Amino acid sequence: QKEVEQNSGPLSVPEGAIASLNCTYSDRVSQSFFWYRQYSGKSPELIMSIYSNGDKEDGRFTAQLNKASQYVSLLIRDSQPSDSATYLCAVNMLNTDKLIFGTGTRLQVFP
Amino acid sequence: DGGITQSPKYLFRKEGQNVTLSCEQNLNHDAMYWYRQDPGQGLRLIYYSQIVNDFQKGDIAEGYSVSREKKESFPLTVTSAQKNPTAFYLCASSIVTGYEQYFGPGTRLTVT
Repeated sequence: QKEVEQNSGPLSVPEGAIASLNCTYSDRVSQSFFWYRQYSGKSPELIMSIYSNGDKEDGRFTAQLNKASQYVSLLIRDSQPSDSATYLCAVNMLNTDKLIFGTGTRLQVFP
Repeated sequence: DGGITQSPKYLFRKEGQNVTLSCEQNLNHDAMYWYRQDPGQGLRLIYYSQIVNDFQKGDIAEGYSVSREKKESFPLTVTSAQKNPTAFYLCASSIVTGYEQYFGPGTRLTVT
């Protein structure tokens, strides 16, 4: 089992819809969770950090963390074509120096 | 403006040559990282450094070397021993290890 798993997609949603991206992780004691957006040919850009159970909202983005079920999700409201990118989930596990990255979910928002 | 710079953006080398990729940050971060990304693949950690004059191997360190003589700088050398060096190389930094990482723009290396 991979340490951090994401569906590779593509996830296709119409403009204005809510895009829901999911990530599961294997280490029950993981502490910190991050979502990155990566446009084609560019480097990853941090868009959300979440550390405790529940929801965290920032503009059109909401991160949801459920440690008991070992998943973290990212909701993008009012999706725009400019949101079309690959979204990477990253997890920091207890007592490690590293972030473990998922392979990413490709999101396509069509007009 | 604070940030991470990587140079050059594109680099072409002949097989058998060593090449050094530059990474500089002015965020006053202690930790720095090098990743490799291949087409359609996730990020794989090559080396990381928690503090000046210290660094650790990541998951794919073979054929690479690094140094951390200054807090701001973490250059990566791709040696001729690296079997498949053509890739997109990303440098990142964080205030300390385990916290959110910020990435530079990347260097795309092509070895022929």
